[in-house]
This record gives sequence, structure tokens and C-alpha cells, in this order.
Amino acid sequence: EDKVVQSPLSLVVHEGDTVTLNCSYEVTNFRSLLWYKQEKKAPTFLFMLTSSGIEKKSGRLSSILDKKELFSILNITATQTGDSAVYLCAVLPKTSYDKVIFGPGTSLSVIP
Amino acid sequence: GAGVSQSPSNKVTEKGKDVELRCDPISGHTALYWYRQSLGQGLEFLIYFQGNSAPDKSGLPSDRFSAERTGGSVSTLTIQRTQQEDSAVYLCASSLGMLGTDTQYFGPGTRLTVL
Repeated sequence: EDKVVQSPLSLVVHEGDTVTLNCSYEVTNFRSLLWYKQEKKAPTFLFMLTSSGIEKKSGRLSSILDKKELFSILNITATQTGDSAVYLCAVLPKTSYDKVIFGPGTSLSVIP
Repeated sequence: GAGVSQSPSNKVTEKGKDVELRCDPISGHTALYWYRQSLGQGLEFLIYFQGNSAPDKSGLPSDRFSAERTGGSVSTLTIQRTQQEDSAVYLCASSLGMLGTDTQYFGPGTRLTVL
């Protein structure tokens, strides 16, 4: 059965710390992996990763995909309280007949 | 606005009533997705549309759920004879092209409460 696993499920850090969030997957017909940040209701798109080994960066956030080992990491440097959220990892399938599969999310709390 | 919009933002209904949730995707986006997020649970994929057609309806939780999309734009998710376990935030997303090729942009969601 296809699945996406994230770790840790919950994390508490102090402002200024660097965090690494993990996402591993077992999905047939893999096409792309997405990272989202979810505060309150709707998720906000962060990154879309399709190729292995190419780091994507946006400010203090960066992410990379390893298609051989079937995982991705999301790094946040110099964390701020505004980074507190649930970070979701999702895998998009190659064909139009497969479902999008989300991981359970990592709940990150950044305390002052 | 230029984003995905959903209505209503909140809906409280009584058990057994039917509800309709609406999603307006970003103009020009051909793919549209419905998700559900129940309290304390992860995001659950329900159904997606490519144009007006939905190739896979197996993600819908039961036959009380149905969705349609007309004119390649607005979509409605209908829940008949609502049950308390239907209470959740229902999220809609759209993307420019085929599933897996483009980023999905999410709407603000509809919070459904079934009493």
C-alpha cells in the first residue's frame, strides 16, 4: 500500500534553532513531492520537488529530494515563532488515475 | 482576488440534512481537487477533476458524497443526509494542468459542523 511517513510528528524548538523535517515515501508511480505549511485551515505551498539532488530554497527554508532512498527533507534555519505550523509532505502520482497521498504532518512549535 | 475561493466559509447543519459546498478555482486552472481534514487527523484526498470529468471517485467516503464540475470551472461537493462524522474542514485546490505536473493552490476551506 502506498504511504508517506513524516518524522518527527511533533517538535518544539527555541527561536533561532535550525530544524530538519523528514518525509519518506513508498509510492508506486512517483512523480513529484510537495511540501506545505498549514496554519489554521488551508495549507500554503512551499516547494515542489521532482528531481533528485537539486536543492530548492526560499528564504530560510530549503528542501531536497532523494529518489534513490525515497525521502525528502525540509530545513528551516534561524526559526521564528511565525514558523510554528504543521508541515505537510505529499506525493503526487505519475498518472492521472492515482490519488495524491499526504503524510501525517510534523507539528512544529517555535518558542521565544 | 486571484486565488481559489470557497463558500460558505462555515456551515452548521443538523444531522440528516443535505449540504452543498462550492469551490471557485483559479481562472484557467483545468485541474480541481477536493480534500477533507477532520479534527486531529491528516489531510484526506476525496476526488479530483480534470476539466469536467472525475476519473477516480473511489476517494469519496460513501455514496452520500458526490461532486460535480461544470464549464470547467466551479465545482460543488454535495453531502446528502449528513452525519456527525462528516464534520471537518473541506478544502479545495486547483492546478494549471494535469495531476502531478503543477502546483496545487488551496482555497481557505469550508468548516462543516454537523450537530
